[in-house]
Amino acid sequence: SQQGEEDPQALSIQEGENATMNCSYKTSINNLQWYRQNSGRGLVHLILIRSNEREKHSGRLRVTLDTSKKSSSLLITASRAADTASYFCATDAQGGSEKLVFGKGTKLTVNP
Amino acid sequence: GAVVSQHPSRVICKSGTSVKIECRSLDFQATTMFWYRQFPKKSLMLMATSNEGSKATYEQGVEKDKFLINHASLTLSTLTVTSAHPEDSSFYICSATVAAKDTQYFGPGTRLTVL
Repeated sequence: SQQGEEDPQALSIQEGENATMNCSYKTSINNLQWYRQNSGRGLVHLILIRSNEREKHSGRLRVTLDTSKKSSSLLITASRAADTASYFCATDAQGGSEKLVFGKGTKLTVNP
Repeated sequence: GAVVSQHPSRVICKSGTSVKIECRSLDFQATTMFWYRQFPKKSLMLMATSNEGSKATYEQGVEKDKFLINHASLTLSTLTVTSAHPEDSSFYICSATVAAKDTQYFGPGTRLTVL
């Protein structure tokens, strides 16, 4: 069953603006990951946040996790045209399995 | 590090033929590899989990006789789409994990078109 659900489904912003994408999930998790996918390409791992962490940073990326609300957000600051891609959250399946369950993704377009 | 390759990147075949897709971990040993399928503008759907030297574990609704998976070594897993039909046309992506690590490293994907 679908675990992660991102919103918005599509987001269009101007270069330099910040982009915020949200992900909600339904069951308990050990960790949540964000991936990026350029059109017709594979996925690139961006960041992993564990269930006992509330916030994590990596360069221009900031991820938050609220396990009480079963939600996470990905913030990209000072966006660039090269950030244009689809962004997916993925949660580990129950029981600590290595399997990931992906959300539907947010398609981000950064206009130059 | 942690590079995963797939071959071919794109394949077009006739209905009824079989197609083999390779997934290789180039600079690490992958005890587990995963195969996903992605339809246009959709998310990834896990098809099967492949462990080296053992039979793959298929997700519900995925035909194991249709999608043959072989994980012959710690760096290579293959997916064979047997007797392909146009509805099998899709983007197939593999990923691999380093033992005891959480992150899956993804290949660039293979675009299969069945005519």
